[in-house]
Amino acid sequence: DAKTTQPPSMDCAEGRAANLPCNHSTISGNEYVYWYRQIHSQGPQYIIHGLKNNETNEMASLIITEDRKSSTLILPHATLRDTAVYYCIVSGAGGTSYGKLTFGQGTILTVHP
Amino acid sequence: SAVISQKPSRDICQRGTSLTIQCQVDSQVTMMFWYRQQPGQSLTLIATANQGSEATYESGFVIDKFPISRPNLTFSTLTVSNMSPEDSSIYLCSDGQAGYGYTFGSGTRLTVV
Repeated sequence: DAKTTQPPSMDCAEGRAANLPCNHSTISGNEYVYWYRQIHSQGPQYIIHGLKNNETNEMASLIITEDRKSSTLILPHATLRDTAVYYCIVSGAGGTSYGKLTFGQGTILTVHP
Repeated sequence: SAVISQKPSRDICQRGTSLTIQCQVDSQVTMMFWYRQQPGQSLTLIATANQGSEATYESGFVIDKFPISRPNLTFSTLTVSNMSPEDSSIYLCSDGQAGYGYTFGSGTRLTVV
């Protein structure tokens, strides 16, 4: 699986958009970009994933660059409960890597009042 | 998305003993995965649990230390054997269903004394 690079920490004001970047320059054509978050050492929570098109769900938006070498997770209106470690993961959709997630160190997002 | 029940949620164990962690999924899944999260660290994949065959272990993890069972498509166990304080970690399971992103259990926080 391709390696990802994320900033170790970010701050965001409550009510503002949080934009979390991720670099995955070695991503291959059949690999998806997944975002998870982990709050207080609970189990990781799935946020969103995409292949090459931008995606949006009730939690967040995922913007993937045209060359697929980087992406941004957008939390449109951050709340204090969004304070967590956010993981950007690249994973294959099939074969021996299916279902396996390689977690990096992630970005610690702190939302402050 | 699937719901995974994991137990126990936490335990304190004596060194030299073993602990079995259980994960129950509310739907049938072909593969399940077991991860370890050491204090202050990210998640590391231990093994893939396949129904009807032996688990596949990642580099650095062996069956004698982390035996896994997968008796059916909704259940799996991970045993941490002959524990030492270095085994103190959070252990998590996940399913292998990518439809809504892989779902994780809530984790088992193990302390070995």
